[in-house]
Amino acid sequence: DGGITQSPKYLFRKEGQNVTLSCEQNLNHDAMYWYRQDPGQGLRLIYYSQIVNDFQKGDIAEGYSVSREKKESFPLTVTSAQKNPTAFYLCASSINYRTGNYGYTFGSGTRLTVV
Amino acid sequence: ILNVEQSPQSLHVQEGDSTNFTCSFPSSNFYALHWYRWETAKSPEALFVMTLNGDEKKKGRISATLNTKEGYSYLYIKGSQPEDSATYLCAFNTNAGKSTFGDGTTLTVKP
Repeated sequence: DGGITQSPKYLFRKEGQNVTLSCEQNLNHDAMYWYRQDPGQGLRLIYYSQIVNDFQKGDIAEGYSVSREKKESFPLTVTSAQKNPTAFYLCASSINYRTGNYGYTFGSGTRLTVV
Repeated sequence: ILNVEQSPQSLHVQEGDSTNFTCSFPSSNFYALHWYRWETAKSPEALFVMTLNGDEKKKGRISATLNTKEGYSYLYIKGSQPEDSATYLCAFNTNAGKSTFGDGTTLTVKP
C-alpha cells in the first residue's frame, strides 16, 4: 500500500543533542512538508520541499534543517539551536506543490521529548 | 502568517445529535479550503477539497459548505456517531503551494 512512513514513533533526546526524524513516501509525490504541533495548537509549517534538491523555510524554521536528496525522502533534523523542541512532528506529502487541488497525505507522526 | 480560525475549540454531543462547526479564513488570495479528520493515534485524513465559492461537498453524514467572499466554511455532521469523535482541521490555501491550518475543533460523541 502507498503511504508515508515516519520513524520513530517516539523519540527522546538529551538537551544539546541533534536528532533526525525520518519521513519516507512511496506515493511518487513531488511535494513534502514538515509540521509541528504543540498541545492545544494547530499545525505550524517548519519546512517544505516542492521538488527534489529544493526546499524552503516555513513559518517556524529556526533550529531545524532538512534535505531532499531523493524524491521519496525528506528527513528533518532538530538541532540543539531549537529552544523548545518537545512537540509532535507530522510529515505530509502532496502530488505537487499546488496542494490546493489535492490536499495532503500525512504520516502518523513522531513525538519528540527532550529529557 | 495567515489567520485561520476554527470554532468552537471543542464540542461534546450525544449520539444522534447533529452538529456543525466553523472555519474562518482570509477572503483575499483564496485558492482552496481543505477539511481533514484526525482520529486519535491515526494520521489526519482528507475529507474535502473545496475550491469554488458556493461549493457544497458531502461524504455520508458529513457535509461542508464554502463562502469565499466572506471567508468561512461550515462542516456539518448529521446524526453524530461515536466513531465521528475526532479533531476536525481546516486548511486555507493560496496559490503559493502550502496550507495554513486552523487549531481544530475536537468533537466527542457520547453513546
